[in-house]
Amino acid sequence: DIQMTQSPSSLSASVGDRVTIACRASQSISTYLNWYQQKPGKAPKLLIYAASSLQSGVPSRFSGSGSGTAFTLTISSLQPEDFATYYCQQSFSTLYTFGQGTQLEIK
Amino acid sequence: EVQLVQSGAEVKKPGESLKISCKGSGYSFTSYWIGWVRQMPGKGLEYMGIIYPGDSDTRYSPSFQGQVTISADKSISTAYLQWSSLKASDSAMYYCARQDEVGAPFDFWGQGSLVTVSS
Repeated sequence: DIQMTQSPSSLSASVGDRVTIACRASQSISTYLNWYQQKPGKAPKLLIYAASSLQSGVPSRFSGSGSGTAFTLTISSLQPEDFATYYCQQSFSTLYTFGQGTQLEIK
Repeated sequence: EVQLVQSGAEVKKPGESLKISCKGSGYSFTSYWIGWVRQMPGKGLEYMGIIYPGDSDTRYSPSFQGQVTISADKSISTAYLQWSSLKASDSAMYYCARQDEVGAPFDFWGQGSLVTVSS
């Protein structure tokens, strides 16, 4: 299986901050990397697909980059509604795997 | 509007069987894959498997192969996840999600089905 490792596991930040979350794959996955946001009690929501493509309806303050084994999700200016848990997921192998999640909390 | 509507919460005893459902609407159900994802209490997302309702092609994560059965009835646009003998460790939230093709992201998600297994 391809292992996905996110860092940090948790992060405290303030409204207006620029935040970056990293995701590393245990082997090259090209750009088959997706990012999801999950709020408490809700289903995950797709934010970024194919490493850097913004899903329709997602605010432009979200962006993704990377290829191969190293990827990042950046939120350019945190808004109150962005405090949530973020997951990366590889879809290179049909044995899809998720990162362990990064919990973004209000400082 | 694309929607995936899942069946409601279930409370079962260990050893019992269960089948939960995920009904798709607003798109061609037979042209997209449906995946299942487990989330244990306070934990992260775990991919379980996917099915292509058009031809019932089904693929399982090794972690869940033999533990659950994924199926679909295309005549009623519904996918299923079932257990023949539940364990307490099956207690979790289960999500279905739509995928355009193998390798694509899960672009629409159901609201989740909470399964509680307790004696």
